[in-house]
Amino acid sequence: QQPVQSPQAVILREGEDAVINCSSSKALYSVHWYRQKHGEAPVFLMILLKGGEQKGHEKISASFNEKKQQSSLYLTASQLSYSGTYFCGSYSGGYQKVTFGTGTKLQVIP
Amino acid sequence: DGGITQSPKYLFRKEGQNVTLSCEQNLNHDAMYWYRQDPGQGLRLIYYSQIVNDFQKGDIAEGYSVSREKKESFPLTVTSAQKNPTAFYLCASSPGPPYNEQFFGPGTRLTVL
Repeated sequence: QQPVQSPQAVILREGEDAVINCSSSKALYSVHWYRQKHGEAPVFLMILLKGGEQKGHEKISASFNEKKQQSSLYLTASQLSYSGTYFCGSYSGGYQKVTFGTGTKLQVIP
Repeated sequence: DGGITQSPKYLFRKEGQNVTLSCEQNLNHDAMYWYRQDPGQGLRLIYYSQIVNDFQKGDIAEGYSVSREKKESFPLTVTSAQKNPTAFYLCASSPGPPYNEQFFGPGTRLTVL
């Protein structure tokens, strides 16, 4: 029941845009997004809750389709610092755990 | 400065030895988690604890043990029963609902020789 992310990997040139998708088979209370740079710990980016509430990064946007249990992360005007592996996390609410997705490796080149 | 600390950063052990990884947080979070990450892979949950003196098995708990005697501390023991313990281990804490965002420590890279 691990969320499935697509694409698995993407290479961008600086300034280009990218979309990362996350699909879950379980009913979700919220979707989390994290970025992990090589050899480092994941860093929280944002959370999208049912009903449209969001909490997180100012320069990154995302959407959450509650009916389809899908979320998309939008990276616009990419910078070299955006490189890393992006994970979505599905959270069913209350004291449940967060289940992380398969990951999307993003590389931004000059 | 609030945060999560893990020690050591790198750990080498001989096969058959138990080893304990440290995780401390001063964020006053109730929930704490241990994840394992293998090269090029995602995060797999080992154990988690929502409150002191209570913890639950995650998806890959076999060969691991934990304790939660203090709110700030959640040590993980990798036992000799864990068949392939070499991995990157991440500890996280969370304030709980409604957002339950995870704050991660810097990780411990364990190599079993």
